[in-house]
Amino acid sequence: GDSVTQTEGPVTVSESESLIINCTYSATSIAYPNLFWYVRYPGEGLQLLLKVITAGQKGSSRGFEATYNKETTSFHLQKASVQESDSAVYYCALGEGADRLTFGKGTQLIIQP
Amino acid sequence: ETAVFQTPNYHVTQVGNEVSFNCKQTLGHDTMYWYKQDSKKLLKIMFSYNNKQLIVNETVPRRFSPQSSDKAHLNLRIKSVEPEDSAVYLCASSFRGYEQYFGPGTRLTVL
Repeated sequence: GDSVTQTEGPVTVSESESLIINCTYSATSIAYPNLFWYVRYPGEGLQLLLKVITAGQKGSSRGFEATYNKETTSFHLQKASVQESDSAVYYCALGEGADRLTFGKGTQLIIQP
Repeated sequence: ETAVFQTPNYHVTQVGNEVSFNCKQTLGHDTMYWYKQDSKKLLKIMFSYNNKQLIVNETVPRRFSPQSSDKAHLNLRIKSVEPEDSAVYLCASSFRGYEQYFGPGTRLTVL
């Protein structure tokens, strides 16, 4: 079946430092998966951070970026300078369209002031 | 802004009882989903409904059943809960398979 593996948390980063959360995927039932990063802020519901539907393309939102790399089956999430408000749980996911989403286990990110 | 509403927030019950969770979306979406997030934080899809038709049904125990009265509502019923049903249940909706919007979740504890 399809699966997503991401950095095991919690990940602690100091404010203004750079961040990378690794995500690799295996899509056995979907020929051209769409890739997503979802985020859950404290006290809020899961929400879409960014998505990329074409291999080789980059998605970006709120200073975060992720590139769909079909060769390495990766979709790492990066940010050049994190803020305290970025503290949340981040989920990498793949899907056929936005349907049938398969999620990773989530990575808790803690930003130290 | 919350547009997918779930009730209750929390529910504690005994093994063997029946429970029902409600989900309502006000986004005009045509597809709704139920996910289960277990103690290992793994989030797995359980059901999805499109225009009252079940279109995805991952292998879940038969004691689980989705119930839809219209495209804005998708409830989840668990008949005779078991300890392994303790989890957070998330409801979501989408329009024609585009971005899914999630509710805040219902945490179930089975004693």
